[in-house]
Amino acid sequence: NAGVTQTPKFRILKIGQSMTLQCTQDMNHNYMYWYRQDPGMGLKLIYYSVGAGITDKGEVPNGYNVSRSTTEDFPLRLELAAPSQTSVYFCASSLSSFGSYNSPLHFGNGTRLTVT
Amino acid sequence: TQLLEQSPQFLSIQEGENLTVYCNSSSVFSSLQWYRQEPGEGPVLLVTVVTGGEVKKLKRLTFQFGDARKDSSLHITAAQPGDTGLYLCAGGLANTGNQFYFGTGTSLTVIP
Repeated sequence: NAGVTQTPKFRILKIGQSMTLQCTQDMNHNYMYWYRQDPGMGLKLIYYSVGAGITDKGEVPNGYNVSRSTTEDFPLRLELAAPSQTSVYFCASSLSSFGSYNSPLHFGNGTRLTVT
Repeated sequence: TQLLEQSPQFLSIQEGENLTVYCNSSSVFSSLQWYRQEPGEGPVLLVTVVTGGEVKKLKRLTFQFGDARKDSSLHITAAQPGDTGLYLCAGGLANTGNQFYFGTGTSLTVIP
């Protein structure tokens, strides 16, 4: 059982380039999330989705876009990379909304992105 | 602005010592979770607490949710090197059920 799989693991972008971070889960979870993690700042929610075809902004959505065409996949798109987007990006999924005893967040192993 | 503040940010202790990590906010949370993260991996859930005043124990780890549901603590008894990692609290606000807010994190190192 793979859980949440993120690709790539590492990427270096030049300013202004675009890329898509891939995320797929095989647990049939409705809820999926994208977070970024910066040193000393914990994790910040970028976007989330409560099901296929439904997405919503989190705390820090500027500079990013998402789509959710299937239950399994939730790609994150960076259109014009900026140095401020240098970070570690985590995708996560859960069976239901936050706070349920039986619904923890399952995280992927992250994508480390550097924008120079 | 940071909704959840954790303290201390860094902690280095000897094996066998006890420690407490705090997670504080001015907001009321419907529930709160604690995660541990190891280098190169995503966070892994340790516990969920949903009732004000709730105390949960997981072997040597004791978690407490404040009576007013604005804060939480994690106490580790007789720390071991395997406890080393980044500890994160995460809370769900009552009026935004689909958004989780993570704390700033506490990096724990247990020296053998």
